Amino acid sequence: SYELTQPPSVSVSPGQTASISCSGSKLGDRYVSWYQQKSGQPPHLVIYQDMRRSSGIPERFSGSNSGNTATLSISGTQAVDEADYYCQAWDSSTVIFGGGTRLTVL
Amino acid sequence: QLVESGGGLVQPGGSLRLSCEASGFIFKTYAMNWVRQAPGKGLEWISHISSSTNNIYYAESVKGRFTISRDNAKNSLYLQLNSLRAEDTAVYYCARDQFRGFDSWGQGTLVTVSS
Repeated sequence: SYELTQPPSVSVSPGQTASISCSGSKLGDRYVSWYQQKSGQPPHLVIYQDMRRSSGIPERFSGSNSGNTATLSISGTQAVDEADYYCQAWDSSTVIFGGGTRLTVL
Repeated sequence: QLVESGGGLVQPGGSLRLSCEASGFIFKTYAMNWVRQAPGKGLEWISHISSSTNNIYYAESVKGRFTISRDNAKNSLYLQLNSLRAEDTAVYYCARDQFRGFDSWGQGTLVTVSS
């Protein structure tokens, strides 16, 4: 079965750029979405179709997808960006989520 | 807006029916999904249903036990959960399908399977 692999945790200093990776076989051939989930809240769509920002998402969020790796980048990271982030893609008729990455803003 | 209901405490082997009521958009034009999240764990996709119910998909972990359905006249999505196991304990979210991503989520309903 298809798998998406994310690092369990990423740390970043305020104002720096955070990069969260999501890897899977030939992932670049699929559309990837990214979700942000803060404690006690449902997930929120951040990026869809690899690089399109969802409504209301700040421009500091961007996405890319090529080869076997998709990346969510957050430039000028703020404390409010601290959350769990999940990548997601379709594999035929099933939906796959990555295991999630906890972003810590130190 | 999506609002789930129907969660609760159920014994192993029992059944529940979850509902998701949609408002603020033309429900009948969107595919919908159920996604769950076990306590302290990540997201797990459960099931998908197309706008006209022509296409229905399930995760292997629930195939044969869970059934997704919808009533477009009532702007509602459902998930019938049968033969429940302890590992089905989770918050269950309904989510709207848009551009291969899920662009709107409910607040979730908690299902606890325990004796």
